[in-house]
This record gives sequence, structure tokens and C-alpha cells, in this order.
Amino acid sequence: DQQVKQNSPSLSVQEGRISILNCDYTNSMFDYFLWYKKYPAEGPTFLISISSIKDKNEDGRFTVFLNKSAKHLSLHIVPSQPGDSAVYFCAATDFGNEKLTFGTGTRLTIIP
Amino acid sequence: DAGITQSPRHKVTETGTPVTLRCHQTENHRYMYWYRQDPGHGLRLIHYSYGVKDTDKGEVSDGYSVSRSKTEDFLLTLESATSSQTSVYFCAISGAISGGTYNEQFFGPGTRLTVL
Repeated sequence: DQQVKQNSPSLSVQEGRISILNCDYTNSMFDYFLWYKKYPAEGPTFLISISSIKDKNEDGRFTVFLNKSAKHLSLHIVPSQPGDSAVYFCAATDFGNEKLTFGTGTRLTIIP
Repeated sequence: DAGITQSPRHKVTETGTPVTLRCHQTENHRYMYWYRQDPGHGLRLIHYSYGVKDTDKGEVSDGYSVSRSKTEDFLLTLESATSSQTSVYFCAISGAISGGTYNEQFFGPGTRLTVL
């Protein structure tokens, strides 16, 4: 039972344009969401998070949007840069829970 | 960056042999985790620890055991390796030893294990 789903295994975007990565969840108890970025041969690194009390969180070029009614979140990267090429994982938890549930990841390729 | 190291970084072994992977942290974090990453499955939790000698199972714990005798070290053991355990293994840490729980996890560089 995949509680966190990233339905697009891969995404290609032109440099300078917007990249939008999507994530859906099924567990209504989840109230804290995180995005991780992973380069080849490295461990995932934390990128940005959002609590369910918000619907948007921005950090520089990265913005995460949360639609609780649709159980959907998205990560926007504007403008996209070649260094953004990586695998992005969405993760979810209920706050205070020591475990995260991860999605299967989306490989983002930025085309110069 | 959080101080997390994993050893070995690469290992090739044969079916039926025991294998131990080590995770070492210098951050004094309370929680430690072992994940495996496989194509099409993302990151799946194997076992985790919430303190010295306190561990619990994750979603894919069969065939794996763990031990944590010190705050800084978390060992993952494959008692008898199988080809299905060929994967990339990541250790992660979170939280502070004296505080509550935190959701952000910091990951080590990974160990690539191949079981022939």
C-alpha cells in the first residue's frame, strides 16, 4: 500500500523554465511533508518542508504547495538550472512521528 | 552537513555470507535509521533506533537485524545475504538526544551492496 505516490518517474524541463514535481498521499493523518533531493552516488539531502497549517512555503527558487482537500503537494522550481537535475523524493509524516514515508521519486532532467 | 559516515561504501559478497554495514554519527542525534533504495520503490525503511539498545522494525525488515550499543553507531546485519538484498543502503539520523522528535532526517552517503 503506497501511501505516498509520485506518479511521474521522470520529467524533463528546459533550463530557465519552471519545473513542477507532484506528490499525492492517501493517509489523512499526515500533516508534515518534506522534499528531498538526491544526486547519483550521494545520500538524499533535505530541500524544503511544509506543515499542514500552511498551503505554501517558499525558499529561494523552491516553493512547495499543499492542497489538503486533494491530498496533493507540488514542488515548483523557478527558474530551473542544470544543477537541479537530480531525483526528488516526497516524504510525509504526522508531526512528532519519528518515521517518514517516502514516495518512489521523480528524476528531473534540466535541458540546457 | 550532518556528520554521518557509512562503511563500507561498496561491497560485493556471495549468497549465504553474513554482512554488516556500519553507520557512525558525530551529531549526538537520538534517532537512527536504515533504508534501502531500489528502482521503482524509492526509500524503504528497514529498521530504526530511538535510543541505545532501543530498535524497531520498518516495512522491509525480514532478513535484517540491527544493533545500537552506543549513541553514535548503528549496525545493520544481513545474517545470510541473498541476491534480493542487492541494493543501496542509506543510514539517516534525526532529533537530539535530549529533546523531542524532529521530522527532518539527514542521510549518509550510502553503501552499495551487491550479492552474487
